[in-house]
Amino acid sequence: GQQLNQSPQSMFIQEGEDVSMNCTSSSIFNTWLWYKQDPGEGPVLLIALYKAGELTSNGRLTAQFGITRKDSFLNISASIPSDVGIYFCAGLYGPGGTSYGKLTFGQGTILTVHP
Amino acid sequence: DTEVTQTPKHLVMGMTNKKSLKCEQHMGHRAMYWYKQKAKKPPELMFVYSYEKLSINESVPSRFSPECPNSSLLNLHLHALQPEDSALYLCASSQGFGQSYEQYFGPGTRLTVT
Repeated sequence: GQQLNQSPQSMFIQEGEDVSMNCTSSSIFNTWLWYKQDPGEGPVLLIALYKAGELTSNGRLTAQFGITRKDSFLNISASIPSDVGIYFCAGLYGPGGTSYGKLTFGQGTILTVHP
Repeated sequence: DTEVTQTPKHLVMGMTNKKSLKCEQHMGHRAMYWYKQKAKKPPELMFVYSYEKLSINESVPSRFSPECPNSSLLNLHLHALQPEDSALYLCASSQGFGQSYEQYFGPGTRLTVT
């Protein structure tokens, strides 16, 4: 089945530093999603990417849908303590003719920000 | 508004109990999902409902029984669970039409089976 390789698995950074994480896949996806999850809470959608080559920003977050459709990266600029959490990439395959999509998740990047 | 609500927030149950988890969304989404998540792991898909019909069952044991009473509500009925079923149970929804498939998650129910 489809698998996503997300790296790095964990990051320890100082407040104010920039962060970069990425996901690669052996298969093509139609959509890439990036989620952040705080402890004990559900994942929150940060950015959705729909087209190969698309670059999208949301505040201090920037994400790109790779040209090959098999990869995506997420950058966080000027990190702050509340950026702490687990970040998941997800490739979305919407089977033709259906009204739902199956997500394939990366294993997550655990981000720790030291004040 | 992209809110999915789940109740209860926490649930402790014995292996002989019967309980239910509830999920609700008022975004007009027509696809709803149940996921199971273990600590520091990604969510694992359990069930998908599309237009109130069960579309996917990812070989989930029969002690988990989903129900979709209407387009806004999703239930997960639990019976005779095992301690290894302890996890965070997440509900999600997506638009279910057009080209938008992104999923919005609820806060989850933390289930402990004793």
